[in-house]
Amino acid sequence: ETGVTQTPRHLVMGMTNKKSLKCEQHLGHNAMYWYKQSAKKPLELMFVYNFKEQTENNSVPSRFSPECPNSSHLFLHLHTLQPEDSALYLCASSQGGQGGQPQHFGDGTRLSIL
Amino acid sequence: GQNIDQPTEMTATEGAIVQINCTYQTSGFNGLFWYQQHAGEAPTFLSYNVLDGLEEKGRFSSFLSRSKGYSYLLLKELQMKDSASYLCAATDSNYQLIWGAGTKLIIKP
Repeated sequence: ETGVTQTPRHLVMGMTNKKSLKCEQHLGHNAMYWYKQSAKKPLELMFVYNFKEQTENNSVPSRFSPECPNSSHLFLHLHTLQPEDSALYLCASSQGGQGGQPQHFGDGTRLSIL
Repeated sequence: GQNIDQPTEMTATEGAIVQINCTYQTSGFNGLFWYQQHAGEAPTFLSYNVLDGLEEKGRFSSFLSRSKGYSYLLLKELQMKDSASYLCAATDSNYQLIWGAGTKLIIKP
């Protein structure tokens, strides 16, 4: 396997459920990111991890809880979500957080909140 | 504030040339990225410009003018598979990416 893998690809959940999104990168990168992508809106950066340490948390509601156990794995734990949280959640990785290093994205998890 | 502007949607004909513009306003600047995103798929890296001028990669070229806060992506010899969204993202002084909303490119036969 190569690249960035996200599971599940699709998730439907009720507002009271708890679920987790998983991301794994096989590129040897040391930075990982969670983004939210809504239709016709710019990508919204949610969380950044560099060498497993969280370096960015862009005012994300506490119902989203990230976890980075190592440089290759990233999770997004979901709890008591709202309908407006329905979106595509993208994971990305890069070699470091500076300079012209491109981010490599997974195919995303399409999340629908009932 | 920081802002990226790019057209919402463009239409072009197979075999033709199309230019997708992007203007940016950021706190500091450390380069600009273009990504391609097909529907239901991951964004994929196309180009990175940090110096003024044109960078060519096969059918795709990207241009940057730092003084004007302006970039464009030029696609030549358009193919149906080029139908996708094209995302512009500028890097600010903290090396954080500021993303545009993307330009949906529709290619017609």
